[in-house]
Amino acid sequence: EAQVTQNPRYLITVTGKKLTVTCSQNMNHEYMSWYRQDPGLGLRQIYYSMNVEVTDKGDVPEGYKVSRKEKRNFPLILESPSPNQTSLYFCASGQRAGNTIYFGEGSWLTVV
Amino acid sequence: DAKTTQPPSMDCAEGRAANLPCNHSTISGNEYVYWYRQIHSQGPQYIIHGLKNNETNEMASLIITEDRKSSTLILPHATLRDTAVYYCIVRDYMTTDSWGKFQFGAGTQVVVTP
Repeated sequence: EAQVTQNPRYLITVTGKKLTVTCSQNMNHEYMSWYRQDPGLGLRQIYYSMNVEVTDKGDVPEGYKVSRKEKRNFPLILESPSPNQTSLYFCASGQRAGNTIYFGEGSWLTVV
Repeated sequence: DAKTTQPPSMDCAEGRAANLPCNHSTISGNEYVYWYRQIHSQGPQYIIHGLKNNETNEMASLIITEDRKSSTLILPHATLRDTAVYYCIVRDYMTTDSWGKFQFGAGTQVVVTP
């Protein structure tokens, strides 16, 4: 079954404690991306990757890092989380030459 | 600047057709029109996309005006499970940077009532 899997799905953490949200896809997709969703602001793109070792900033990259060492994985790293990074995060993937992107189920992150 | 404009909300009666409008007056010749929906806080789900011609699949129909400045998503027989936020997105398929930046606007909250 085609899947985009995010972990953890729910996390409460403290300010400044580094955390990583993992994203894995089993569809051999070249393209992967991270979004955050906040009330009233909709879905905003954080980073995206067109292929292994290729990453680019989206609209709200500040405070986040990503890496793409393998095709199937695209982890989102919060080096020093702050309360304003409390949000619902989505990972997505798609074929580079394709038209559809697939989303994970989301990760609820709370920073206190 | 937003590339698309959608009404913030609309209601639809169960069993009736839901017609969701989208304005994209600055669309370029290389840009497709995509529709996604998001049910509550789940991951957005692909519905349909098109460039110039009208498109239909098992979920919906997409009608694009001849000048491509607007489009309408049609859910032919709305059900309660179609209650969701619907996003209209334009996306450049030629330029790598534009292709990668898949940007969502505010969308239309559709409520299907019994």
